[in-house]
Amino acid sequence: GENVEQHPSTLSVQEGDSAVIKCTYSDSASNYFPWYKQELGKGPQLIIDIRSNVGEKKDQRIAVTLNKTAKHFSLHITETQPEDSAVYFCAVGETSYDKVIFGPGTSLSVIP
Amino acid sequence: GAVVSQHPSRVICKSGTSVKIECRSLDFQATTMFWYRQFPKQSLMLMATSNEGSKATYEQGVEKDKFLINHASLTLSTLTVASAHPEDSSFYICSGAGTMNTEAFFGQGTRLTVV
Repeated sequence: GENVEQHPSTLSVQEGDSAVIKCTYSDSASNYFPWYKQELGKGPQLIIDIRSNVGEKKDQRIAVTLNKTAKHFSLHITETQPEDSAVYFCAVGETSYDKVIFGPGTSLSVIP
Repeated sequence: GAVVSQHPSRVICKSGTSVKIECRSLDFQATTMFWYRQFPKQSLMLMATSNEGSKATYEQGVEKDKFLINHASLTLSTLTVASAHPEDSSFYICSGAGTMNTEAFFGQGTRLTVV
């Protein structure tokens, strides 16, 4: 089955700096790569996603890059703000409306 | 985007009792509902997949007789934790997908505490 790894497990940055979280996966049949933000006591919130026919996608301060050959994708957050502090999960699926396998998560702390 | 409403958000129950969690798709028809479980400080793990009108498919290690899933309509799916025990205490999250959707939408989650 699919195996999703995520690094780092914790990340602390100064406000205004950039944060990068990386994920690797094992199943070459995977085509959908979302990133979720989870705040304490809440469900995961989709913040950006990318499909296998695209190498990079950007939405304001958030970007995702995908290297399908190497089976890894990364989340980039620029100009971090304290409200970006949360746990971020990468996930992998065959399609956007299918089940996804989550990575272990990254706890991001943005220090004011 | 589309909304999946999950209730209750929190529930505390006594050991041995059953608890029902509901997920409703408010503005789309969820032909498929995914149920996930998340233990403290861990990731979300898929428990089962249910298609409307069919029996749910459970992931390995998930007891189908303990976690009863009903998906009788396109807008409602329920998860019943039968005879709950303290080790069932967890955060349960549903995610619904429809034929017209481009993505699956997550509910807000239910924090179950069994005492």
